[in-house]
Amino acid sequence: QQPVQSPQAVILREGEDAVINCSSSKALYSVHWYRQKHGEAPVFLMILLKGGEQKGHDKISASFNEKKQQSSLYLTASQLSYSGTYFCGTEYRDDKIIFGKGTRLHILP
Amino acid sequence: GAVVSQHPSRVICKSGTSVKIECRSLDFQATTMFWYRQFPKQSLMLMATSNEGSKATYEQGVEKDKFLINHASLTLSTLTVTSAHPEDSSFYICSAGQQTWGGYTFGSGTRLTVV
Repeated sequence: QQPVQSPQAVILREGEDAVINCSSSKALYSVHWYRQKHGEAPVFLMILLKGGEQKGHDKISASFNEKKQQSSLYLTASQLSYSGTYFCGTEYRDDKIIFGKGTRLHILP
Repeated sequence: GAVVSQHPSRVICKSGTSVKIECRSLDFQATTMFWYRQFPKQSLMLMATSNEGSKATYEQGVEKDKFLINHASLTLSTLTVTSAHPEDSSFYICSAGQQTWGGYTFGSGTRLTVV
């Protein structure tokens, strides 16, 4: 039931782009994306609901393909502040959110 | 808006004692709160779903008698780790959501160390 995230880790130079994928084996109600800095609680980035949609703010956007039960997070022109671990959380009909194992993103200056 | 306050942020306790962690939604009402546990460099693992006015729903493998959850009001949920052992040392995080915006806000987390 735990969603599968890929890749496990990414190292980028500042200004480069990254894509993080999240897939589920079960039908999804929604997908949540969070970023967690070391030693801190996760911070909500965005939620994507059924119906297939895309969202974005600043240079971080995401898409949700309901049929494929997949979501992708897009980070464009990455900044140093984007470093951290990104988790997708998949929500099913029972309102629980199950998190993937996370993708560690490290941005080099 | 949507602030969740969790405390204590850090606690060290002796093996065999109990520790209570509080999670409060400060500016909204949360009928449901979630409790997660996170071991170093691992994902957030859902422990239980806390429902106001009713019994919590525990995930498979989580001992309900060991991790007592009380959701006595629409703004407060507590997690009590009873008879703590060193293997219970972890980062515990609560989260609560609002229907209006759909996302969930996390508390700042509690780092529990059992010695």
